[in-house]
Amino acid sequence: AQTVTQSQPEMSVQEAETVTLSCTYDTSESNYYLFWYKQPPSRQMILVIRQEAYKQQNATENRFSVNFQKAAKSFSLKISDSQLGDTAMYFCAFRQGGGGGADGLTFGKGTHLIIQP
Amino acid sequence: DTGVSQDPRHKITKRGQNVTFRCDPISEHNRLYWYRQTLGQGPEFLTYFQNEAQLEKSRLLSDRFSAERPKGSFSTLEIQRTEQGDSAMYLCASSRLTGAQMGEKLFFGSGTQLSVL
Repeated sequence: AQTVTQSQPEMSVQEAETVTLSCTYDTSESNYYLFWYKQPPSRQMILVIRQEAYKQQNATENRFSVNFQKAAKSFSLKISDSQLGDTAMYFCAFRQGGGGGADGLTFGKGTHLIIQP
Repeated sequence: DTGVSQDPRHKITKRGQNVTFRCDPISEHNRLYWYRQTLGQGPEFLTYFQNEAQLEKSRLLSDRFSAERPKGSFSTLEIQRTEQGDSAMYLCASSRLTGAQMGEKLFFGSGTQLSVL
């Protein structure tokens, strides 16, 4: 079974700073997908960024980028120019590709990110 | 695109009672997922549908849980003989994908918070 580990229960940074959230995972598969989801106080999970394991290039979405280290099984999220609206729980998630992904997403326990004004 | 809708937002019940939750996915999304989230944890996969077919059910899911998606549109999740350990937030998500790949973006609802007294 796959596992996802987020070692930082909570982080706090000042507005406009850059912050990096850590995530490691364990799998024996080669075909998989990695995600970062954000859960604000409204509770609705929102996809932040997605990475396909077969792609060597790190995914980027505006102020959000990842550092995907496949050999190390590491998938960190970098948020640049942080904004107050970035305050939320952030979950790292894994999903096996193809038919093996029928068990859905495996989530980590989350990191509570607080952006201070 | 009106988003994924879940009803009710909150449900309080007594131990031993049956409860049913409803999820209305985004129109024309062919996949629908149910997840459960307890305090301090990431969401845990319960089951998923492709159209009206229930393709996978978590091995951890008790027989007291049943889900349906009768016409491939909305879905219901029923919990029979509720226990205090069932207290959690139940999240629904939907997606649109063709083929067998599993890396699609999921759109989540705001969840139903269940409290079993």
